[in-house]
Amino acid sequence: AQSVAQPEDQVNVAEGNPLTVKCTYSVSGNPYLFWYVQYPNRGLQFLLKYITGDNLVKGSYGFEAEFNKSQTSFHLKKPSALVSDSALYFCAVRDETGSYIPTFGRGTSLIVHP
Amino acid sequence: EADIYQTPRYLVIGTGKKITLECSQTMGHDKMYWYQQDPGMELHLIHYSYGVNSTEKGDLSSESTVSRIRTEHFPLTLESARPSHTSQYLCASTSGGRGNTIYFGEGSWLTVV
Repeated sequence: AQSVAQPEDQVNVAEGNPLTVKCTYSVSGNPYLFWYVQYPNRGLQFLLKYITGDNLVKGSYGFEAEFNKSQTSFHLKKPSALVSDSALYFCAVRDETGSYIPTFGRGTSLIVHP
Repeated sequence: EADIYQTPRYLVIGTGKKITLECSQTMGHDKMYWYQQDPGMELHLIHYSYGVNSTEKGDLSSESTVSRIRTEHFPLTLESARPSHTSQYLCASTSGGRGNTIYFGEGSWLTVV
């Protein structure tokens, strides 16, 4: 079985400050992990993914995420937040040996204040 | 940008009407999905397909139906729309292994009055 948790419904950060959106997961085998962003009235846009290799993954719009196997986490980070980063962020997981259906987190609303 | 298209983007229809939401992708993906999402809320899988003539129901019970006659096309149909069907419907697709990225369309906003 696979599951993913986003423990924060909302994250508030001031523009220019670093941001972190948290994600933890549970899988039977090795995980494939994804981050997506959703702007109002839009579909989900792919940001980055971890498959294997380097634990630090770089993605679109200056975002990066760190895979931590011991803590079963895949937190999304950005060194300097922009107001335009305000959106809904979803973490997703697939088990390497499981279903082709990904499990999505409940989403975290990121609000960047000017 | 992903080549996955949904029409209509916005639709308001009356109760009892039949509606089909279209989803097409030009990437040759074998796997396609339909999700239902209320504003700002989590995604709920309602249907998926692993290829032509293959369709399955998802985790969330839905009164909608789907078909997969062609690889690139995965329409969703509501035979008799009700106000409880008011929501956003997201189509997605992917191919190959479990590490491959899933791409989403822009969504169809359905309002049933």
